[in-house]
Amino acid sequence: GESVGLHLPTLSVQEGDNSIINCAYSNSASDYFIWYKQESGKGPQFIIDIRSNMDKRQGQRVTVLLNKTVKHLSLQIAATQPGDSAVYFCAEYHGGFKTIFGAGTRLFVKA
Amino acid sequence: NAGVTQTPKFQVLKTGQSMTLQCAQDMNHNSMYWYRQDPGMGLRLIYYSASEGTTDKGEVPNGYNVSRLNKREFSLRLESAAPSQTSVYFCASSEGTVNEKLFFGSGTQLSVL
Repeated sequence: GESVGLHLPTLSVQEGDNSIINCAYSNSASDYFIWYKQESGKGPQFIIDIRSNMDKRQGQRVTVLLNKTVKHLSLQIAATQPGDSAVYFCAEYHGGFKTIFGAGTRLFVKA
Repeated sequence: NAGVTQTPKFQVLKTGQSMTLQCAQDMNHNSMYWYRQDPGMGLRLIYYSASEGTTDKGEVPNGYNVSRLNKREFSLRLESAAPSQTSVYFCASSEGTVNEKLFFGSGTQLSVL
């Protein structure tokens, strides 16, 4: 069935290190993927997106990689800061109004 | 610019009580949505409104009703609350008529006893 999964429910990194959050998807027809960040007590916030005709997209300190062969995407955060501590969701867009959200990975940043 | 505003932030209900969650956006977005978030699960779509005057069921609509009052406001009503509706509810909006990039409110934590 269709699903968006995350390899690790929690990730702990040292401040200043790079973080990599992984996500698997099962629908090879999906053409758009989004990463959201959710801080405690707040709603999800858009971070970065990527379309299926791209392999990589960079933002400010964040990079998303898409591997369509193995249906995998990752979010890389450079020089992780305490303010990056949050839950990160990947979402798979199926068209129309159907966005499938993963359960999330909680990122802890150690000072 | 407030974005998406939800009220209330917290609510406790007894089984069978009713309540309405309010949502308003000031970004002139066409589409609005209600999601629920449960521990260990991704966000699930309850209802959405592609434009003013239209509403449609999402993935988990049972036990809920919605009203798109105008372009800015989209409310979610629980007519007879059940413990299974204990959850965090998020309102969201998107610019176009497809929910590619969503803007979320800060959520309503609802407990049904």
